[in-house]
Amino acid sequence: QQQVKQSPQSLIVQKGGISIINCAYENTAFDYFPWYQQFPGKGPALLIAIRPDVSEKKEGRFTISFNKSAKQFSLHIMDSQPGDSATYFCAAEGSTLGRLYFGRGTQLTVWP
Amino acid sequence: DVKVTQSSRYLVKRTGEKVFLECVQDMDHENMFWYRQDPGLGLRLIYFSYDVKMKEKGDIPEGYSVSREKKERFSLILESASTNQTSMYLCASHHTEAFFGQGTRLTVV
Repeated sequence: QQQVKQSPQSLIVQKGGISIINCAYENTAFDYFPWYQQFPGKGPALLIAIRPDVSEKKEGRFTISFNKSAKQFSLHIMDSQPGDSATYFCAAEGSTLGRLYFGRGTQLTVWP
Repeated sequence: DVKVTQSSRYLVKRTGEKVFLECVQDMDHENMFWYRQDPGLGLRLIYFSYDVKMKEKGDIPEGYSVSREKKERFSLILESASTNQTSMYLCASHHTEAFFGQGTRLTVV
């Protein structure tokens, strides 16, 4: 049973465009929602994270939008660059510290 | 700088072999995790540990075991490797966020 559902599976965006990746969850006990970025041959690395007491968090070109009532959150990448081409994973954490439930990933390609 | 080191980047093993994947972290974290990553399936948790000699099953523990004899080291054991265990294996340690190793790509032939 997939605890966190992520879409789309792949995304192709033109340089300078906006990339949007969506995730949904069911377990209301989740209270921490990180996004991880993974380049080929590397392990995932934390990109940005949010807690449900805020509806949005922005770090540079990356923004998480969080909708608690809909149990959905999304990653927006503004002014997408070829260097952003990677696989992105959303995740959720509940009461068990560090126990993350991952989405299936989105492979983002930004072409020049 | 934070570091999680997995002992091998690539491994090729034969069906039925006992396989050990090693992971070491230098951050004195109590929590460590083993995931496998397969295309289209994301990261799935195999086992995790909150302290030395403690272990908890994740979502897909069948065919695997783990060992945590020292705080910095967390080993994943494939008791009898099978071809369906061909995958990328990722180790992570966690404090306020998860830090991942570079992964071990295991091929079982």
